[in-house]
Amino acid sequence: GEDVEQSLFLSVREGDSSVINCTYTDSSSTYLYWYKQEPGAGLQLLTYIFSNMDMKQDQRLTVLLNKKDKHLSLRIADTQTGDSAIYFCAESTFREGGKLIFGQGTELSVKP
Amino acid sequence: DTAVSQTPKYLVTQMGNDKSIKCEQNLGHDTMYWYKQDSKKFLKIMFSYNNKELIINETVPNRFSPKSPDKAHLNLHINSLELGDSAVYFCASSQGTAELPLHFGNGTRLTVT
Repeated sequence: GEDVEQSLFLSVREGDSSVINCTYTDSSSTYLYWYKQEPGAGLQLLTYIFSNMDMKQDQRLTVLLNKKDKHLSLRIADTQTGDSAIYFCAESTFREGGKLIFGQGTELSVKP
Repeated sequence: DTAVSQTPKYLVTQMGNDKSIKCEQNLGHDTMYWYKQDSKKFLKIMFSYNNKELIINETVPNRFSPKSPDKAHLNLHINSLELGDSAVYFCASSQGTAELPLHFGNGTRLTVT
């Protein structure tokens, strides 16, 4: 079945790079996403990658996709205290259009 | 502002009551969704509508009834509320069902006492 897994917590120091990892099981995944949720707020789309790509960079964010291992990562360069939030990985497939399967979320804590 | 907006932001009610949550999007999207986030932050789809037509219904109790009067609105009505319905409910929208990503509202925190 469909499953998306993430580690629950990550703690880094301000200025370091953060790497949040995600694994998924559905080999027919079409898009993979990273969403950010700050306390008491909604889900903010950070970036997404199509399954035929292996990397996407957007300012401080780098997404790496290893389709063979079904592994997705989000790297945040120069992590700031404002990056503290929960980060959700999600995947979708064309055959179940619009249905996102989410991981449990990784709580990123950035210490000054 | 272009956005997905939900009301109310907070809803506290007693078991057995009936309540509604409203959602509107002004992004011109034709597909709207309801997702539920439980106390452990786990997010799961409940429903989706495309051009007012139900396309996804994920084994949600029939006490939950979505209604889409037009493609810019998707409301969620819940009958006979139970303690286990306490959660944060997120509305989302997208252009089509294959052209994601989804844009989410800020959520409605429902507390059933």
